[in-house]
Formats: sequence, C-alpha cells, structure tokens
Amino acid sequence: KQEVTQIPAALSVPEGENLVLNCSFTDSAIYNLQWFRQDPGKGLTSLLLIQSSQREQTSGRLNASLDKSSGRSTLYIAASQPGDSATYLCAVRDSNTGNQFYFGTGTSLTVIP
Amino acid sequence: DTEVTQTPKHLVMGMTNKKSLKCEQHMGHRAMYWYKQKAKKPPELMFVYSYEKLSINESVPSRFSPECPNSSLLNLHLHALQPEDSALYLCASSLHEDSDYGYTFGSGTRLTVV
Repeated sequence: KQEVTQIPAALSVPEGENLVLNCSFTDSAIYNLQWFRQDPGKGLTSLLLIQSSQREQTSGRLNASLDKSSGRSTLYIAASQPGDSATYLCAVRDSNTGNQFYFGTGTSLTVIP
Repeated sequence: DTEVTQTPKHLVMGMTNKKSLKCEQHMGHRAMYWYKQKAKKPPELMFVYSYEKLSINESVPSRFSPECPNSSLLNLHLHALQPEDSALYLCASSLHEDSDYGYTFGSGTRLTVV
C-alpha cells in the first residue's frame, strides 16, 4: 500500500524566507501528485498538480518538483508571507490501487511577521 | 463555476437524529468523493461515485449512507451516529475517476455529534 510522508511535520520561519516542504512516497507507480493548502477547520485548496511525466510546476511564488523514480516531491515557497501560514498536504494518485488518492501527513507552516 | 459547494458548513446532531450533508458541483465532473478528516490528521476516503454509481466504499459503517441523485449532486445521509464520528467531512470531485486530473475539494462540513 502506498505510504506518503511529509517532513517536517511543523515549520516556523520569519517572514521573507524561502522554504522547502518535502513529500515522499513509497511506490513510484503514480498518475500524478497534488499539493494542497488547508487553513484550520477549512477545506483543501489545490495549489499545484504535477503529472507523472512532468518534473515541475510553478504558480506565482510556488514551485513544485517531482522525482518519481526516487519517490519524492518538494514544494518551494519563495519570499514567505504570514498569509502562507497553513497546513500543506501532498497527495499521490496511485495507479496500482484503482487510482486511489493517498494523502501525506501534512506540514504545519507558521510564517512569523 | 470552478467550485465544490458543501452545505451546511456546521452541523450539531444528537445520536438519534437523522441528517444529511450535501455537495454540489457544476464543473461537469463525473467522479465525486466523500472524505472524513479528524483533527490534525490527513483526510480519509469514505466513498467514491463514478458516473453516479458507487465505485468504492472503504468499509464505512452503515450509519453513513451516500447517495448520488445526479451528476452534480452528492449527499451523505447520517443516522444514529456516535460521538467519535465528529469530524470535518469533505467532498471532492474530479473529471473522471481514472483520469490524470486532480481533485477539487469543497470547504467541508464540520459535524459534531452530541
């Protein structure tokens, strides 16, 4: 069964810093990987979707990379802002188990003004 | 319209009550999903509907009963719930169940069982 892990579990940085969130998965047989943001008690907002054939995707200050063979993805956030404070979840769409979506454990980010 | 809309946003119900959660999307997505999320945990899949048919039931207790009346609407009927069922219930949709497309999530229903 696919296992998705995110490191670190929590991260606190001063405003303006660049930061990297990590996501690793155990089985490289995936269709895609999606990064989400979740504010406390709220739903998930999609940030970036990377197909298995792609190496990276960019949206504004966010850049996500995918190394499928090594089972890793990173989410790079440039010039962090207090409004970036949230929990970030990665999820992989597994092609072995009926296209099920497996979520990582999440990274709780706090950007200090 | 690029949203998944969930109602109500908050629900408090007694263990003998019957209530329903509603999820709606008008993006033409043919796969819809129910997830349950406990505090500080990732979402857990409950049900998958593909073309209005139940595709996956992740061994969810029968006190949760999903329904997909049409391609835009997904309901979750609740009956005789337990306090441990209190959680955030998230609905999501994607173009197809077996596609390369990502998921769009709703903002969730915060359910409290008393």
